[in-house]
Amino acid sequence: AAGVIQSPRHLIKEKRETATLKCYPIPRHDTVYWYQQGPGQDPQFLISFYEKMQSDKGSIPDRFSAQQFSDYHSELNMSSLELGDSALYFCASSPRTSGGGDTQYFGPGTRLTVL
Amino acid sequence: AQKVTQAQTEISVVEKEDVTLDCVYETRDTTYYLFWYKQPPSGELVFLIRRNSFDEQNEISGRYSWNFQKSTSSFNFTITASQVVDSAVYFCALSVYSSNTGKLIFGQGTTLQVKP
Repeated sequence: AAGVIQSPRHLIKEKRETATLKCYPIPRHDTVYWYQQGPGQDPQFLISFYEKMQSDKGSIPDRFSAQQFSDYHSELNMSSLELGDSALYFCASSPRTSGGGDTQYFGPGTRLTVL
Repeated sequence: AQKVTQAQTEISVVEKEDVTLDCVYETRDTTYYLFWYKQPPSGELVFLIRRNSFDEQNEISGRYSWNFQKSTSSFNFTITASQVVDSAVYFCALSVYSSNTGKLIFGQGTTLQVKP
């Protein structure tokens, strides 16, 4: 069965640089979530999209922005990178029914290292 | 506010032992969903189970079983006859209906080490 695809899998950037992470959800899933997992931490919700509209926002820095495109893939753009942005970034997708609560299927993650 | 607590940071067992991972949640919503995810050393998050707040029936899937008790706000996970391949970090997570977005609130995770 098709899974969530994330690219790149690994990314190394310098401080103050910009990074773009991509996510391709499972076919027919129209909801996408982004999570950030720091070393030894639990995943923290960043932002979500439903039908190409932002549906919720968590503790996402103003330096980060994201969008969902017409083909339902999503991109997370990160600017002015800081050392503390080094983390594993997960994208998850789910089929949307009212009220949330659908199972989220996670991609393999993008490991971002900021030097 | 919603919260998930996994009090056990690390558990170490010998292969074939049974092990229970505890999860306690907090929410004032009456409609909510509970999940368990496995994160092996390779890093991906693997979905294990989903439960809604109206279904307290326990579930068994092979060597895995889950005990959901609303009276104690707990959703515990038991692995029977553990195997080395069960070594991973296990996360319990909660989402509430009223959020309307389904975002997950994770517990801190329990690292399970199964020794041969």
